[in-house]
Amino acid sequence: EAGVTQSPTHLIKTRGQQATLRCSPISGHTSVYWYQQALGLGLQFLLWYDEGEERNRGNFPPRFSGRQFPNYSSELNVNALELEDSALYLCASSFGLTNTGELFFGEGSRLTVL
Amino acid sequence: GESVGLHLPTLSVQEGDNSIINCAYSNSASDYFIWYKQESGKGPQFIIDIRSNMDKRQGQRVTVLLNKTVKHLSLQIAATQPGDSAVYFCAEKGTGTYKYIFGTGTRLKVLA
Repeated sequence: EAGVTQSPTHLIKTRGQQATLRCSPISGHTSVYWYQQALGLGLQFLLWYDEGEERNRGNFPPRFSGRQFPNYSSELNVNALELEDSALYLCASSFGLTNTGELFFGEGSRLTVL
Repeated sequence: GESVGLHLPTLSVQEGDNSIINCAYSNSASDYFIWYKQESGKGPQFIIDIRSNMDKRQGQRVTVLLNKTVKHLSLQIAATQPGDSAVYFCAEKGTGTYKYIFGTGTRLKVLA
């Protein structure tokens, strides 16, 4: 069974550009979470989607946005990129609102902003 | 609360010794706890979990201890190996909530 998959693995952008990151959850999972992890630091909660709806967002500016598609895959968009947006962006999936178990993480997308 | 992005504390242990990684969790209503291992450049991997109706759970070479009185969680790794070198995160969750709250993480370095 395929795990959580993320693309691209690496992405290099310049300041002011826009980045789009993609995530496919484990089959059967309806919830997708996005986390930002700056180098050497912990996980910062970005966004949570379930059944196509944004359910909650963390303390990030509006230029961080995303969506979840009918097949439960998700994309994260970061507009007007800043240098400090350079980080590993992790996607995780779970069974949704009734989930009583762990989050399953992808390998992440490394975004570098020059 | 949520991880605040502090620089990670480091635990250095000799190969073959036992490691104990600690975590103070924040919400007394949390009833599910998880330990994750994150190797450099990779996503976090599930190691072991425990529910609040237990105070100890064992896996292969790992043991998780839960002390609800002081809101403390620990991960014990027996006979630590070089492949155990990674960052370890604890996470907590309450029943009926969406929110997984992650600890700041501890970097484990295994010395040869």
